[in-house]
Amino acid sequence: EDKVVQSPLSLVVHEGDTVTLNCSYEVTNFRSLLWYKQEKKAPTFLFMLTSSGIEKKSGRLSSILDKKELSSILNITATQTGDSAIYLCAVEGNTGNQFYFGTGTSLTVIP
Amino acid sequence: EAQVTQNPRYLITVTGKKLTVTCSQNMNHEYMSWYRQDPGLGLRQIYYSMNVEVTDKGDVPEGYKVSRKEKRNFPLILESPSPNQTSLYFCASRTRLSSYNEQFFGPGTRLTVL
Repeated sequence: EDKVVQSPLSLVVHEGDTVTLNCSYEVTNFRSLLWYKQEKKAPTFLFMLTSSGIEKKSGRLSSILDKKELSSILNITATQTGDSAIYLCAVEGNTGNQFYFGTGTSLTVIP
Repeated sequence: EAQVTQNPRYLITVTGKKLTVTCSQNMNHEYMSWYRQDPGLGLRQIYYSMNVEVTDKGDVPEGYKVSRKEKRNFPLILESPSPNQTSLYFCASRTRLSSYNEQFFGPGTRLTVL
């Protein structure tokens, strides 16, 4: 059965801390792994990782794909209160446009 | 403005009363999907479509129908809603270009079935 597992389920940190969010997957015919941020509304896209692009960085956020371990991490450095959100990991597999999402990691950044 | 729209945004209905949630995108995207989001279960794909008249079941298709008669529209139909279909529903679309996999999500429809 295809599945995506995220850890931890929730996290509370202070502003300025660095956090690492984890995503592991078992998906048939892996095509890509995506990270989204969700703040009480629709998810918004952060990164896409594939076999040909296993590391991405945007400002304080970065992500790495480990195809051997079937996992990915999302790092956020110097966290801010605006980073408080649910972070979702999704994997595209099989036929294309078929996506499997993890349950998300809820991040709370305290001032 | 490039966007995915859904209607209605909120709906309270009763068991067995057929309903349709509309989804429309103005980006000429080939791929569209419907998801439901429930606490502790995350986003689960209900149905997806890779082009006009081409639809496939996702992880949780039971109790739902879809159609893709036009490229821009992808309505979700609940023929006989039940309380376990109470959920937050998202429609999403993306281009088929393999190098650009971002899904654009609609604002969501919160459905309550009594």
